Amino acid sequence: AQSVSQHNHHVILSEAASLELGCNYSYGGTVNLFWYVQYPGQHLQLLLKYFSGDPLVKGIKGFEAEFIKSKFSFNLRKPSVQWSDTAEYFCAVNLRPGANSKLTFGKGITLSVRP
Amino acid sequence: GAVVSQHPSWVICKSGTSVKIECRSLDFQATTMFWYRQFPKQSLMLMATSNEGSKATYEQGVEKDKFLINHASLTLSTLTVTSAHPEDSSFYICSARPAGNTGELFFGEGSRLTVL
Repeated sequence: AQSVSQHNHHVILSEAASLELGCNYSYGGTVNLFWYVQYPGQHLQLLLKYFSGDPLVKGIKGFEAEFIKSKFSFNLRKPSVQWSDTAEYFCAVNLRPGANSKLTFGKGITLSVRP
Repeated sequence: GAVVSQHPSWVICKSGTSVKIECRSLDFQATTMFWYRQFPKQSLMLMATSNEGSKATYEQGVEKDKFLINHASLTLSTLTVTSAHPEDSSFYICSARPAGNTGELFFGEGSRLTVL
């Protein structure tokens, strides 16, 4: 079955550390890929997305992600995290993109950034 | 733009009663809306896909008679939890995809249901 895997459940970093959150999916066809963030007490917001073209996509707040098709991966990165990046991060995959297609979410990764 | 609003944001009800949650796309039309359920420390579980003017498509294991979904207009979908029980307590999130768009979803703030 198609699935989305996020490798860590809880990541703890100090401010200014670099961040990489892993995301892998299992589906051989065309996909759209997303990273969403959920700050404490807030709703899900889109960080970035990949549909086609340049596999390195840049999102808001200094985040970027690289789509590596051969590895079925879409890892999220940020060179230097801030305390305000503390949140839950979800990778999501849209399989067979279309008007009614569903987003499948990974289990999410909790990022805690120490001041 | 692309704002999705849910109401109520939290609700407490007695066991056996029904609760309705509304999901509105405020500045776009959405032919498709999705209802998710999120348990603490877990991912979003898709419950059903709601299509304007037609019956919702439920995911395997989700009771249609328990979770009634109505998508009466291009800007409104409702989820009614019927005869709620404590195990229905959860965070319910709706999302909408603008008409003609095949990609990202825009999410509501979520509705926390507590059944006593």
